[in-house]
Amino acid sequence: DIVMTQSPDSLAVSLGERATINCKSSQSVLYSSNNKNYLAWYQQKPGQPPKLLIYWASTRESGVPDRFSGSGSGTDFTLTISRLQAEDLAVYYCQQYYSTPFTFGPGTTVDIK
Amino acid sequence: QVHLVQSGAEVKKPGASVIVSCKTSGYIFTSYYLHWVRQAPGQGLEWMGIINPYEGSTTYAQKFQGRMSVTADTSTSTVYMELSSLRSEDTAVYYCARESVPGTGFDYWGQGTQVIVSS
Repeated sequence: DIVMTQSPDSLAVSLGERATINCKSSQSVLYSSNNKNYLAWYQQKPGQPPKLLIYWASTRESGVPDRFSGSGSGTDFTLTISRLQAEDLAVYYCQQYYSTPFTFGPGTTVDIK
Repeated sequence: QVHLVQSGAEVKKPGASVIVSCKTSGYIFTSYYLHWVRQAPGQGLEWMGIINPYEGSTTYAQKFQGRMSVTADTSTSTVYMELSSLRSEDTAVYYCARESVPGTGFDYWGQGTQVIVSS
């Protein structure tokens, strides 16, 4: 199984500042046939199902604000929230869907400082 | 408009089975894979398995093989997830989730079904 790790476990950021979350996979999730990283980012607010933010490591899902961006390739990935808003308070998960089981990272909690 | 609507909360005794349904609408049922993901209280997300509603083929996480079964009813666009031999560690919220174009993540999720396993 591919093991996903995230850092930090939690972070507190002032409104309008940048938040950066890191995700690492135990093996590459880069699919050589199409040069796509099979890595997604989700946001989950209390009492709600997760919401897809980013897929293919850097492609923003339709309707997701452009302050959310993803980067990275292979085994190392980053989710950046460029200007934190109050509604961004949530837990963020990375997920690999390169091979089953489609494992998730343990999550990073973003709080407002 | 895409909707995934799950069945209601369940309370089960250890050793029993539970069936959670996920009724879909707003898209062509057989064109998208459906996944099951669960979340124990205060914990992260755990992928359980996937079904291709067109063929009915399934893949389960090894952890659940032998006690998990997912089926699809194309006449009602509904997917069913059965988990047997329940134990307290199976207490969780269970989600169904649609996979968009293969390899683009889970774009729509059900509201979640709370399953409590307690004697």
